[in-house]
Amino acid sequence: ELKVEQNPLFLSMQEGKNYTIYCNYSTTSDRLYWYRQDPGKSLESLFVLLSNGAVKQEGRLMASLDTKARLSTLHITAAVHDLSATYFCAATAGTASKLTFGTGTRLQVTL
Amino acid sequence: DTAVSQTPKYLVTQMGNDKSIKCEQNLGHDTMYWYKQDSKKFLKIMFSYNNKELIINETVPNRFSPKSPDKAHLNLHINSLELGDSAVYFCASSPLGLGEQYFGPGTRLTVT
Repeated sequence: ELKVEQNPLFLSMQEGKNYTIYCNYSTTSDRLYWYRQDPGKSLESLFVLLSNGAVKQEGRLMASLDTKARLSTLHITAAVHDLSATYFCAATAGTASKLTFGTGTRLQVTL
Repeated sequence: DTAVSQTPKYLVTQMGNDKSIKCEQNLGHDTMYWYKQDSKKFLKIMFSYNNKELIINETVPNRFSPKSPDKAHLNLHINSLELGDSAVYFCASSPLGLGEQYFGPGTRLTVT
């Protein structure tokens, strides 16, 4: 059974500094997804990573995938307040289109 | 234009009642899903339909019954509601197979 773990669970970030969230998964996965959720809101898709070595960037966020290590990272460059949210990674395995989510990482950016 | 919509947004009801949540997507996707997000924000899939056919049925009490009248709609009916059913329920849709999933706004269910 696929298990997905994220760490840290909570990250207090100072504006302007760089941080990384880690996402480990337990078995071979076809795809890795990153989502953002603001309080009381829905999930917004950030990145879909399809293959080993994949790297995607959008603004201050960069996601990468290492399928051999079963690890994805979400790197935040020069954090700003509007990045405060909960970030989830999710993976799929097998033929079913079932997303298995990590526990989420709550990011809080302070001045 | 709303891509994935759910009704109602909030649902407050008493234990033992039966309630339904509706979901519609206008993205032309073939696959739809129901997820449950508990009070600790943990997200877990419940069901998935591909073009009206049930393809994922996780370990969910049989008080929960999904129905897909067509590939644009997926409803969730819950019988004999219990306190532990209180959660946010998200509908999602995706193109065939392993495509990116788009989530609806969620339905916050509170059982008293």
